[in-house]
Amino acid sequence: EAQVTQNPRYLITVTGKKLTVTCSQNMNHEYMSWYRQDPGLGLRQIYYSMNVEVTDKGDVPEGYKVSRKEKRNFPLILESPSPNQTSLYFCASSLAYGGLNTQYFGPGTRLTVL
Amino acid sequence: KQEVTQIPAALSVPEGENLVLNCSFTDSAIYNLQWFRQDPGKGLTSLLLIQSSQREQTSGRLNASLDKSSGRSTLYIAASQPGDSATYLCAGRQGGSEKLVFGKGTKLTVNP
Repeated sequence: EAQVTQNPRYLITVTGKKLTVTCSQNMNHEYMSWYRQDPGLGLRQIYYSMNVEVTDKGDVPEGYKVSRKEKRNFPLILESPSPNQTSLYFCASSLAYGGLNTQYFGPGTRLTVL
Repeated sequence: KQEVTQIPAALSVPEGENLVLNCSFTDSAIYNLQWFRQDPGKGLTSLLLIQSSQREQTSGRLNASLDKSSGRSTLYIAASQPGDSATYLCAGRQGGSEKLVFGKGTKLTVNP
């Protein structure tokens, strides 16, 4: 089944404790991105990747890091999480950058930083 | 900078009613527009994608239209069912970017 998976689905952590949220897709998609969803603000893009080893900032990249060493994986790293990073996070992928493509979203990761 | 607005924020209708959800965008140089459904605690499910060269797309009871000149898209749901209850999001994509700019959604409740 074609899908985007994220782990963990739920995470409660404390300020300053480094964490990684994994994202994997099995559709051989080139383009992957991370969004966060907050009440009243909607979904906003954090980072995106056009292909392996090619990443760039979205609208709200502060406090986050990403890497794209393999085509299927695009982890989101919070080096020192803070309470303002409490949010619902979504990973998305599409076939290729610049194409006429539908974006597919993962199930979401609900992160709480205490 | 593209801005996407969805009005109303919430809508409640009786089962069986035909309804229209609205989405407006500020930059007419939109590449495509995608409609999603989000169930509580769940991810986003893509419903329809309309390219800038198209006027509408249909899938089952759903029909989405795009009018670039007026900066509007609509999602028409025919014969609504309680299972249609969810938040509906529209998102626009600009040329030269894969980034989706999302509206804040319309929460639809279909009452039996």
